[in-house]
Formats: sequence, C-alpha cells, structure tokens
Amino acid sequence: AQTVTQSQPEMSVQEAETVTLSCTYDTSESDYYLFWYKQPPSRQMILVIRQEAYKQQNATENRFSVNFQKAAKSFSLKISDSQLGDAAMYFCAYRSALLKTSGSRLTFGEGTQLTVNP
Amino acid sequence: DAGVTQSPTHLIKTRGQQVTLRCSPKSGHDTVSWYQQALGQGPQFIFQYYEEEERQRGNFPDRFSGHQFPNYSSELNVNALLLGDSALYLCASSLLEDYYNEQFFGPGTRLTVL
Repeated sequence: AQTVTQSQPEMSVQEAETVTLSCTYDTSESDYYLFWYKQPPSRQMILVIRQEAYKQQNATENRFSVNFQKAAKSFSLKISDSQLGDAAMYFCAYRSALLKTSGSRLTFGEGTQLTVNP
Repeated sequence: DAGVTQSPTHLIKTRGQQVTLRCSPKSGHDTVSWYQQALGQGPQFIFQYYEEEERQRGNFPDRFSGHQFPNYSSELNVNALLLGDSALYLCASSLLEDYYNEQFFGPGTRLTVL
C-alpha cells in the first residue's frame, strides 16, 4: 500500500516571500501521479499542481512549482511571491497510474496548514 | 457549468441512526469517489463508483455503502452511526477516459454524530 507523509503540520510565510512545503511518499510502483491540493476554510479541495512520475521535468503552474525527486520519493511544493489568498491547508496526494487495479483513488498526506502574514 | 455539488451541507445525527449523503458530479463526469476527512486530517478513500458499480473500496466497514444512479449521481449511506463517524464527507467526480483522470471535489457534507 502507498503512504504519503507531510512532516510539517504548520508553516508560516510573510506576504511576497517564498515558502516550501515538504512531502514524502512510499510506493513500489514505478508509474504514478503526485498532486498538491489546497483546501481553504470553505472546504473545497482545489488542485494546485500535478506531476507525472515518468516526467523528469518539475511541474510549474504560475507561482507554484514542485521539486520532484523520484529516487528519494520526495515531492515538495514551492510557493513564490506568497499572497494572502494562499493561506489554506495543503495536501500532498498520490495516485497510481494503474487505473484497472487501483482506480483513480487518491492517497492523501496529513496536510500542512499554511499561514500568510501581511 | 456546475461543478460537483453535495447535499446537505451540514447534518447532525445521534448514535445508531442511519444517514444518506448525496452527490451530483461535474457535468460530463462518469466516476464518483467518496472520502472521509476527520478534523485535522487528510481525506481517506471510502469507495469509488463507475457504471453504477462499486469499483474500488478503501478500509471502511460494511456500514458504509453507496449507490450510483444512471445519471451518475451518487449516494453514501452510513448505518449504525458511531461517534467516530463525525467528519467531513467529500465527493469527487472524474471522467474515466480523461488522460489525467483529474478528480474535482465538492464542498463536502459536515456530519456530526452526537
């Protein structure tokens, strides 16, 4: 079974600065997807960024980028130029690429609460 | 285009009762997954429905059951409620044939068991 671990329950950052959230995972599969989701107080889970394991290039979406280290099973999220609206709970998630056996179920970490200070 | 909708928003039940939660998927989606999110924790996968059948199931007891209707909407039923069932229940929909099979989440139903 796959596991996802987020070792930082809480992080804080000053507005306009950069913050990195950590995530490690464990799997015996070679092909999979990794995601970062944001959950604001409204509770709606929103996809921030995705990474395909077979792609060596790190994914980037505007101010959000990842550092994907497949051998180390590490997947960190960097938020640049932090904004007040980035304050939320962030979840790292894993999904197998084997849809027939695992479906599209997501395995989530425990989350990191990000506070952005003005 | 309406996203994933869930009803009700909040629900209060007592131990031993039964509850039904509802989910309407995003337009065009054919797969619905349910997750339980306890306070301060990450969501845990309950089960997934596709073509009106349960395709995948997480580590949840048989008290948790579901259904998917021909219009792809879904229900989650929980029998014999326990205090520990208090949580946010999230529904997510996706399109099986989509390359990324990206899951879109609803706002959730907050269940409180007294």
